[in-house]
Amino acid sequence: GAGVSQSPRYKVAKRGQDVALRCDPISGHVSLFWYQQALGQGPEFLTYFQNEAQLDKSGLPSDRFFAERPEGSVSTLKIQRTQQEDSAVYLCASSFPTGGTGNTIYFGEGSWLTVV
Amino acid sequence: RKEVEQDPGPFNVPEGATVAFNCTYSNSASQSFFWYRQDCRKEPKLLMSVYSSGNEDGRFTAQLNRASQYISLLIRDSKLSDSATYLCVVKWVGGGADGLTFGKGTHLIIQP
Repeated sequence: GAGVSQSPRYKVAKRGQDVALRCDPISGHVSLFWYQQALGQGPEFLTYFQNEAQLDKSGLPSDRFFAERPEGSVSTLKIQRTQQEDSAVYLCASSFPTGGTGNTIYFGEGSWLTVV
Repeated sequence: RKEVEQDPGPFNVPEGATVAFNCTYSNSASQSFFWYRQDCRKEPKLLMSVYSSGNEDGRFTAQLNRASQYISLLIRDSKLSDSATYLCVVKWVGGGADGLTFGKGTHLIIQP
Protein backbone atom coordinates (compact mmCIF):
# COMPACT_ATOMS: atom_id res chain seq x y z
CA GLY A 1 0.00 0.00 0.00
CA ALA A 2 0.92 3.64 -0.18
CA GLY A 3 1.28 4.13 3.54
CA VAL A 4 1.72 2.29 6.83
CA SER A 5 -1.41 0.32 7.55
CA GLN A 6 -2.49 -0.74 11.03
CA SER A 7 -5.30 -2.93 12.25
CA PRO A 8 -7.53 -2.94 14.08
CA ARG A 9 -8.02 0.81 14.22
CA TYR A 10 -10.00 0.49 17.42
CA LYS A 11 -10.00 -2.27 19.97
CA VAL A 12 -11.84 -2.55 23.26
CA ALA A 13 -10.48 -5.34 25.44
CA LYS A 14 -11.58 -6.60 28.79
CA ARG A 15 -8.90 -6.54 31.44
CA GLY A 16 -6.95 -9.76 31.29
CA GLN A 17 -7.66 -10.37 27.63
CA ASP A 18 -4.85 -10.82 25.10
CA VAL A 19 -4.70 -8.51 22.08
CA ALA A 20 -2.74 -8.53 18.84
CA LEU A 21 -2.11 -5.41 16.80
CA ARG A 22 -0.94 -5.63 13.24
CA CYS A 23 1.28 -3.32 11.23
CA ASP A 24 1.86 -3.46 7.50
CA PRO A 25 4.73 -1.07 6.72
CA ILE A 26 5.43 0.72 3.48
CA SER A 27 6.65 -1.78 0.93
CA GLY A 28 10.42 -2.13 0.99
CA HIS A 29 10.93 -0.32 4.26
CA VAL A 30 13.61 -2.05 6.27
CA SER A 31 13.08 -0.37 9.62
CA LEU A 32 9.91 -0.76 11.64
CA PHE A 33 9.11 0.87 14.95
CA TRP A 34 6.37 0.56 17.52
CA TYR A 35 5.44 3.48 19.74
CA GLN A 36 2.89 3.85 22.51
CA GLN A 37 1.06 7.16 22.92
CA ALA A 38 -1.05 7.77 25.97
CA LEU A 39 -3.63 10.55 26.00
CA GLY A 40 -1.95 13.95 26.16
CA GLN A 41 1.52 12.51 25.84
CA GLY A 42 4.04 12.22 23.06
CA PRO A 43 4.79 8.85 21.47
CA GLU A 44 7.03 6.61 23.59
CA PHE A 45 9.37 4.17 21.86
CA LEU A 46 8.59 0.49 22.40
CA THR A 47 10.66 -1.57 19.98
CA TYR A 48 12.53 -1.55 16.67
CA PHE A 49 13.07 -4.05 13.89
CA GLN A 50 15.54 -4.05 11.07
CA ASN A 51 14.07 -6.52 8.62
CA GLU A 52 13.11 -9.52 10.77
CA ALA A 53 15.62 -8.81 13.52
CA GLN A 54 14.36 -7.13 16.65
CA LEU A 55 17.34 -4.92 17.44
CA ASP A 56 15.92 -2.97 20.34
CA LYS A 57 13.08 -3.85 22.67
CA SER A 58 14.16 -1.66 25.54
CA GLY A 59 10.93 0.32 25.52
CA LEU A 60 8.57 -2.58 26.06
CA PRO A 61 7.00 -1.82 29.46
CA SER A 62 6.71 -5.37 30.70
CA ASP A 63 7.06 -8.99 29.69
CA ARG A 64 3.38 -8.91 28.76
CA PHE A 65 4.38 -7.07 25.62
CA PHE A 66 5.82 -9.01 22.71
CA ALA A 67 6.51 -8.00 19.13
CA GLU A 68 7.53 -9.97 16.08
CA ARG A 69 8.24 -9.47 12.41
CA PRO A 70 8.99 -12.98 11.20
CA GLU A 71 9.37 -12.30 7.48
CA GLY A 72 10.71 -8.79 7.67
CA SER A 73 7.54 -7.10 6.52
CA VAL A 74 4.33 -7.29 8.56
CA SER A 75 4.75 -6.93 12.31
CA THR A 76 2.51 -7.87 15.21
CA LEU A 77 2.52 -6.34 18.66
CA LYS A 78 0.96 -8.66 21.21
CA ILE A 79 -0.15 -7.65 24.66
CA GLN A 80 -0.99 -10.42 27.07
CA ARG A 81 -3.30 -10.10 30.05
CA THR A 82 -4.13 -6.49 29.26
CA GLN A 83 -4.32 -3.97 32.09
CA GLN A 84 -6.08 -0.61 32.17
CA GLU A 85 -2.75 1.21 31.99
CA ASP A 86 -2.21 -0.39 28.58
CA SER A 87 -4.95 1.84 27.17
CA ALA A 88 -3.24 4.01 24.56
CA VAL A 89 -2.72 4.48 20.86
CA TYR A 90 -0.14 2.08 19.47
CA LEU A 91 1.65 3.66 16.54
CA CYS A 92 3.66 1.75 14.00
CA ALA A 93 6.19 3.54 11.83
CA SER A 94 8.57 2.50 9.09
CA SER A 95 11.52 3.97 7.25
CA PHE A 96 14.05 3.19 4.53
CA PRO A 97 16.98 2.85 4.45
CA THR A 98 18.37 2.07 7.87
CA GLY A 99 20.75 4.28 9.74
CA GLY A 100 21.53 7.85 8.96
CA THR A 101 20.50 10.93 10.76
CA GLY A 102 17.76 12.28 8.63
CA ASN A 103 15.65 9.35 7.54
CA THR A 104 12.02 10.23 7.66
CA ILE A 105 9.82 7.77 9.43
CA TYR A 106 6.22 7.38 8.38
CA PHE A 107 3.54 6.57 10.89
CA GLY A 108 0.40 4.57 10.54
CA GLU A 109 -2.85 5.97 11.91
CA GLY A 110 -2.48 3.87 15.01
CA SER A 111 -4.44 1.22 16.84
CA TRP A 112 -6.55 2.72 19.62
CA LEU A 113 -6.69 0.28 22.51
CA THR A 114 -9.08 0.73 25.40
CA VAL A 115 -8.93 -1.76 28.24
CA VAL A 116 -12.07 -1.88 30.37
CA ARG B 1 17.71 9.79 31.35
CA LYS B 2 17.30 11.29 27.91
CA GLU B 3 14.54 13.86 27.94
CA VAL B 4 12.85 16.21 25.57
CA GLU B 5 10.83 18.94 27.25
CA GLN B 6 8.13 21.13 25.79
CA ASP B 7 5.57 23.56 27.16
CA PRO B 8 2.29 21.68 26.64
CA GLY B 9 0.30 24.90 26.18
CA PRO B 10 -2.29 25.37 24.91
CA PHE B 11 -1.14 28.43 23.03
CA ASN B 12 -4.19 30.39 21.94
CA VAL B 13 -3.18 32.69 19.11
CA PRO B 14 -5.28 34.92 16.83
CA GLU B 15 -5.20 34.18 13.15
CA GLY B 16 -2.44 36.07 11.38
CA ALA B 17 -0.24 36.39 14.44
CA THR B 18 3.26 35.02 14.88
CA VAL B 19 3.83 32.34 17.43
CA ALA B 20 6.99 30.63 18.63
CA PHE B 21 7.71 27.81 21.00
CA ASN B 22 10.80 26.07 22.24
CA CYS B 23 11.89 22.63 23.17
CA THR B 24 14.83 21.67 25.36
CA TYR B 25 16.75 18.42 25.26
CA SER B 26 18.96 16.89 27.88
CA ASN B 27 21.51 14.91 25.91
CA SER B 28 24.31 17.06 24.52
CA ALA B 29 25.23 14.25 22.14
CA SER B 30 21.94 14.61 20.34
CA GLN B 31 22.38 14.27 16.64
CA SER B 32 19.29 15.22 14.72
CA PHE B 33 16.28 17.35 15.41
CA PHE B 34 12.83 17.54 13.95
CA TRP B 35 9.43 19.07 14.39
CA TYR B 36 6.48 16.79 13.83
CA ARG B 37 2.88 17.88 13.64
CA GLN B 38 0.05 15.80 15.02
CA ASP B 39 -3.59 16.60 14.37
CA CYS B 40 -6.27 15.44 16.78
CA ARG B 41 -6.68 11.68 16.62
CA LYS B 42 -4.20 11.42 13.78
CA GLU B 43 -0.67 10.14 13.44
CA PRO B 44 2.42 12.39 13.72
CA LYS B 45 3.77 13.70 10.46
CA LEU B 46 7.13 15.28 9.77
CA LEU B 47 6.84 19.06 9.56
CA MET B 48 10.49 19.89 9.11
CA SER B 49 14.00 18.91 10.08
CA VAL B 50 16.05 21.39 12.09
CA TYR B 51 19.51 22.26 10.88
CA SER B 52 22.34 23.91 12.78
CA SER B 53 22.21 27.02 10.65
CA GLY B 54 18.46 27.33 11.02
CA ASN B 55 16.05 26.70 8.22
CA GLU B 56 12.85 28.03 6.82
CA ASP B 57 9.97 26.43 5.00
CA GLY B 58 7.39 28.95 3.96
CA ARG B 59 5.84 30.43 7.09
CA PHE B 60 7.77 28.07 9.35
CA THR B 61 11.26 28.73 10.72
CA ALA B 62 13.22 26.29 12.83
CA GLN B 63 16.28 27.14 14.88
CA LEU B 64 18.78 25.04 16.78
CA ASN B 65 20.87 26.29 19.68
CA ARG B 66 23.34 23.56 20.60
CA ALA B 67 25.01 25.58 23.33
CA SER B 68 21.77 25.98 25.23
CA GLN B 69 20.35 22.69 24.01
CA TYR B 70 17.09 23.91 22.61
CA ILE B 71 15.28 24.07 19.32
CA SER B 72 12.53 26.45 18.37
CA LEU B 73 9.72 26.69 15.89
CA LEU B 74 8.31 29.98 14.69
CA ILE B 75 5.12 30.24 12.69
CA ARG B 76 4.38 33.50 10.90
CA ASP B 77 1.00 34.67 9.63
CA SER B 78 -0.69 31.78 11.42
CA LYS B 79 -3.65 30.09 9.75
CA LEU B 80 -6.59 28.28 11.30
CA SER B 81 -5.21 25.11 9.74
CA ASP B 82 -2.06 25.44 11.83
CA SER B 83 -4.04 24.34 14.88
CA ALA B 84 -2.42 21.10 15.98
CA THR B 85 0.03 19.62 18.43
CA TYR B 86 3.66 20.22 17.57
CA LEU B 87 6.05 17.52 18.69
CA CYS B 88 9.73 18.20 19.23
CA VAL B 89 11.77 15.17 18.23
CA VAL B 90 15.39 14.35 18.90
CA LYS B 91 17.61 11.59 17.65
CA TRP B 92 20.48 10.63 19.93
CA VAL B 93 23.98 9.65 18.95
CA GLY B 94 24.14 5.94 19.37
CA GLY B 95 20.43 5.94 19.87
CA GLY B 96 20.53 2.32 18.93
CA ALA B 97 17.05 1.91 17.72
CA ASP B 98 17.53 4.40 14.96
CA GLY B 99 14.36 5.75 16.40
CA LEU B 100 13.37 9.06 17.77
CA THR B 101 12.58 10.52 21.16
CA PHE B 102 9.49 12.66 21.25
CA GLY B 103 8.52 15.48 23.51
CA LYS B 104 4.98 15.54 24.86
CA GLY B 105 3.98 18.19 22.37
CA THR B 106 2.81 21.79 22.39
CA HIS B 107 -0.86 22.31 21.67
CA LEU B 108 -1.52 25.28 19.38
CA ILE B 109 -4.97 26.73 18.79
CA ILE B 110 -5.38 29.41 16.14
CA GLN B 111 -8.48 31.47 16.77
CA PRO B 112 -10.45 33.31 14.08
